[in-house]
Amino acid sequence: DADVTQTPRNRITKTGKRIMLECSQTKGHDRMYWYRQDPGLGLRLIYYSFDVKDINKGEISDGYSVSRQAQAKFSLSLESAIPNQTALYFCATSEGGATYNEQFFGPGTRLTVL
Amino acid sequence: DAKTTQPPSMDCAEGRAANLPCNHSTISGNEYVYWYRQIHSQGPQYIIHGLKNNETNEMASLIITEDRKSSTLILPHATLRDTAVYYCIVRGGPYGQNFVFGPGTRLSVLP
Repeated sequence: DADVTQTPRNRITKTGKRIMLECSQTKGHDRMYWYRQDPGLGLRLIYYSFDVKDINKGEISDGYSVSRQAQAKFSLSLESAIPNQTALYFCATSEGGATYNEQFFGPGTRLTVL
Repeated sequence: DAKTTQPPSMDCAEGRAANLPCNHSTISGNEYVYWYRQIHSQGPQYIIHGLKNNETNEMASLIITEDRKSSTLILPHATLRDTAVYYCIVRGGPYGQNFVFGPGTRLSVLP
């Protein structure tokens, strides 16, 4: 079984709809992250969480919100989706403690907003 | 955060070594250099990281210059499955939370 899973894997929605993307991990990591990737570009950090009670904005948090329901679960919400939020979304996890710990990525969710 | 620059694309013959360069001239003393790769649109895969010394693991070797302003990722015997986009990242932020992915280098391994 995959260590970091994301649901759904693909989603098509309409402008103005509320969307939730979910991420679960079995690695036992404290830290979780949400990124988006636009075609031909690298990943950009949306939000990150260092533990259940810790939520922080990343580079591009406007239009998004998150919830850390448990150590293993980190959800990303688009309250009112717009077409320029069409992208590939990745969840990642890492161990706490040392800042040099690598991140492990999920398989991604492809979101299309019409 | 230190920024990185990489060539947009490179080709490599199957079985030969692939050497992927990265410049990070503004890197600070406590920032690590990471390499990830992304095959098609899958989640990025960790390859290797280092601070000052050269590093080697089962996937690759990382050579960091003495002044730390550049590094090279070496895939010793490239295979077709190594075709991917390779990202060089200097991790930043006060808690190391910022993995800034640039556009990377698209490596094509040719038969």
